[in-house]
Amino acid sequence: DAGVIQSPRHEVTEMGQEVTLRCKPISGHNSLFWYRQTMMRGLELLIYFNNNVPIDDSGMPEDRFSAKMPNASFSTLKIQPSEPRDSAVYFCASSFGPYNEQFFGPGTRLTVL
Amino acid sequence: GIQVEQSPPDLILQEGANSTLRCNFSDSVNNLQWFHQNPWGQLINLFYIPSGTKQNGRLSATTVATERYSLLYISSSQTTDSGVYFCAVVSGANNLFFGTGTRLTVIP
Repeated sequence: DAGVIQSPRHEVTEMGQEVTLRCKPISGHNSLFWYRQTMMRGLELLIYFNNNVPIDDSGMPEDRFSAKMPNASFSTLKIQPSEPRDSAVYFCASSFGPYNEQFFGPGTRLTVL
Repeated sequence: GIQVEQSPPDLILQEGANSTLRCNFSDSVNNLQWFHQNPWGQLINLFYIPSGTKQNGRLSATTVATERYSLLYISSSQTTDSGVYFCAVVSGANNLFFGTGTRLTVIP
């Protein structure tokens, strides 16, 4: 298995631009998580899907952030408009069921200038 | 929400030494995982261990759920063990709550 796949691995953009991060979970997993890692706040959950349905989006910072999961093999996290404080590493993780072992992708390092 | 505390925050070891990392959590958990974040930023699964003891090569872990702690043992440390070790738990809600990590540096 290829593991969780994320793209792009690195993204540099200017303030105000739209950013879209992509994730392909491990085949057969039905739970998908988006996390963000910063020096100040560590690793924190942004949103969680189960069977393609958003279950908990309480970690989404504000309306500029949105996430979708149109099918079992693809999810996107969009930031529009982006701001410098959004600079972070964004991880996608998947698991078979919400309480089972989660596997993380390699992350997308986002820099907003 | 649940509190996850890891100790020590930083650890420097000579290659070949052994170490124990600790994770305390404030509530009952459904899931506990240990991760190694390597210098390139990748989060590598070490153990899925909500209770009991597991071993994988030079690494082993023990979780005592009733006393709300978990331990990660690293034996015969190598320079490639350097990085940050995270404990993360699922309690009630479905997402992982991460501790602040232990930064391990193994010097040759």
